[in-house]
Amino acid sequence: SQTIHQWPATLVQPVGSPLSLECTVEGTSNPNLYWYRQAAGRGLQLLFYSVGIGQISSEVPQNLSASRPQDRQFILSSKKLLLSDSGFYLCAWSVREGTEAFFGQGTRLTVV
Amino acid sequence: EDQVTQSPEALRLQEGESSSLNCSYTVSGLRGLFWYRQDPGKGPEFLFTLYSAGEEKEKERLKATLTKKESFLHITAPKPEDSATYLCAVQESGGTSYGKLTFGQGTILTVHP
Repeated sequence: SQTIHQWPATLVQPVGSPLSLECTVEGTSNPNLYWYRQAAGRGLQLLFYSVGIGQISSEVPQNLSASRPQDRQFILSSKKLLLSDSGFYLCAWSVREGTEAFFGQGTRLTVV
Repeated sequence: EDQVTQSPEALRLQEGESSSLNCSYTVSGLRGLFWYRQDPGKGPEFLFTLYSAGEEKEKERLKATLTKKESFLHITAPKPEDSATYLCAVQESGGTSYGKLTFGQGTILTVHP
């Protein structure tokens, strides 16, 4: 069966520090991968998606970047965090267009 | 631009009191509509996928239905463990959607014993 791992679960970082969040998927090949952000009391906003190794598309301009160095690994990064980067970050995968996405347990990021 | 609106924002029910949650959507073409359940501090858990108007899906006390403009999540005789945020999302049809989901803001459901 397929599983998705996302870490860390919580993170407190000072303004201006770098960020690296990692997500890995097991039990499937060539998944579509996604990074979403959820602000408090709001729905999920898509940040990045990837349909293959090295293929990254950004949905919104921001202080973040994403990379996919391996088929089932998706990384969210920042060189210098801003206060506005605080939020709940969720990684997800799907088999293909038209199918459901499965989410990781999320990372609660607080920038102080 | 795709839009998804969920109502009500919050719903309080007594145990056993059935009700419905609404999800209205605007897309140029619907590839699929998805319902998720999210517990506090957790990632969304997939519930249902609906693809075409008239389609219905059921799971335990939950039943999802779809029309051309909206979807309903019916909760029959809810229990306190059904308390959660319920999220609706749509996926647009077309060659460049890549499975991207547009989410509504969610409905926070609280079921009192």
